[in-house]
Amino acid sequence: GDSVTQMEGPVTLSEEAFLTINCTYTATGYPSLFWYVQYPGEGLQLLLKATKADDKGSNKGFEATYRKETTSFHLEKGSVQVSDSAVYFCALSAGGTSYGKLTFGQGTILTVHP
Amino acid sequence: KAGVTQTPRYLIKTRGQQVTLSCSPISGHRSVSWYQQTPGQGLQFLFEYFSETQRNKGNFPGRFSGRQFSNSRSEMNVSTLELGDSALYLCASGIQGKGETQYFGPGTRLLVL
Repeated sequence: GDSVTQMEGPVTLSEEAFLTINCTYTATGYPSLFWYVQYPGEGLQLLLKATKADDKGSNKGFEATYRKETTSFHLEKGSVQVSDSAVYFCALSAGGTSYGKLTFGQGTILTVHP
Repeated sequence: KAGVTQTPRYLIKTRGQQVTLSCSPISGHRSVSWYQQTPGQGLQFLFEYFSETQRNKGNFPGRFSGRQFSNSRSEMNVSTLELGDSALYLCASGIQGKGETQYFGPGTRLLVL
C-alpha cells in the first residue's frame, strides 16, 4: 500500500540555520504530495504542495520539489526562525478511488533556538 | 471564508460510553474526512464522506462510524469507548476529495478514563 517515510527526529537548530527534512514515499500511480505543519494545540495547516513530477511547492520561505525518480519530496528552508518551531508532516494523496485519504509520515519535531 | 470548525474542542468520557463529534466544512466543500492522531500511531485515516455517502474507509473497528448531512456537515461516533480511543480527532474538508488539498479543523481532543 501507499506509505510515507520521514527522517527521524527531533531536529534542533539555531536561528538562521538551514533546514532539510527528508521525505520519501511509496505509491502506485502519480500521487499529489503535501507538507503540513502543526503548532501546539492546533490542527494541521497546509504548508505547500506539488501535484506532478518536477513541480516545486513553496510558501513562507519553505520549498520542496516532487522528485519522481527518487520518490522524494524533501522540505527545505534557507534560514529558520524561532517561530518555525512545530511538527512537520509529509503526506500523499493517491487520488483515484482513494477518496479523501491522506497518508502521512510520522512527523518531524523541529525546535529552533534563538 | 470561515475555516473548518469542530465541536467540541475537548471531551472527557469513561470507558463503555459513546461519543459524537461534529465537523462543519468550509463553505462549498463537499468532501469531509476524519483522522485519528495519537503519539503511538500518528495520523490515521478513519473515513471520508461525500454527498452523504461514505466513499472510503480506513482500518478501524465498527465502533467507529460517521455520517454526513445534506449541508455537508459531518459527525463521527465512537461507541463503547476504550482507553485506546483517547486521541486528537481531526476533520478535514476538500472540494471533491479527489486528491486536491484538504483543509483541517483544530480537532477534538478526546480523553477516555
